[in-house]
Amino acid sequence: AQTVTQSQPEMSVQEAETVTLSCTYDTSENNYYLFWYKQPPSRQMILVIRQEAYKQQNATENRFSVNFQKAAKSFSLKISDSQLGDTAMYFCAFMKFASGTYKYIFGTGTRLKVLA
Amino acid sequence: DAGVIQSPRHEVTEMGQEVTLRCKPISGHNSLFWYRQTMMRGLELLIYFNNNVPIDDSGMPEDRFSAKMPNASFSTLKIQPSEPRDSAVYFCASKDRAVGGELFFGEGSRLTVL
Repeated sequence: AQTVTQSQPEMSVQEAETVTLSCTYDTSENNYYLFWYKQPPSRQMILVIRQEAYKQQNATENRFSVNFQKAAKSFSLKISDSQLGDTAMYFCAFMKFASGTYKYIFGTGTRLKVLA
Repeated sequence: DAGVIQSPRHEVTEMGQEVTLRCKPISGHNSLFWYRQTMMRGLELLIYFNNNVPIDDSGMPEDRFSAKMPNASFSTLKIQPSEPRDSAVYFCASKDRAVGGELFFGEGSRLTVL
């Protein structure tokens, strides 16, 4: 069975600094997708970034980038130039599609606080 | 475009009462997911519909929980009778047909059962 592990329950970073959130997963699949979602205090989960496992190039979205290490089954999120609005829970998620069915597995989340 | 719409945003009820949560997915999306989020258990998948048909309901806690999707634009999650341990935030999410597409979440319904 697939699992997703986020080993950092809480983190903090100074405004304008860089922070990296870790995520590891376990799967025997070769084709899958990985996501980072942000959940601010307003509660709604919002996609931050997505990575297709078949792509070697790391995904980037403005200040957000990932370090995808397929062999190590690692998918960390780097936030550059942290802003106060980045304060939120961040969830790593794994998704596979097989036999016409989607399977999403979420990690337990990392609470990030950006300090002024 | 409107996102996933859930109602109510907040519900406070007494143990034993029936609770119905509602969800309108994004137009054109053909997959719909119901999740429950608690501090203790994190985000748990309750049930997943594809083209209005339940595909995976293995996460539905027990017979007190039921979900329906009568058409492509509406789904309900019902708890009857409700219990205090059902208190949680319930999220609905929808997804389009693209295999690698992400889930789009609603704002959630916070349920408190007294």
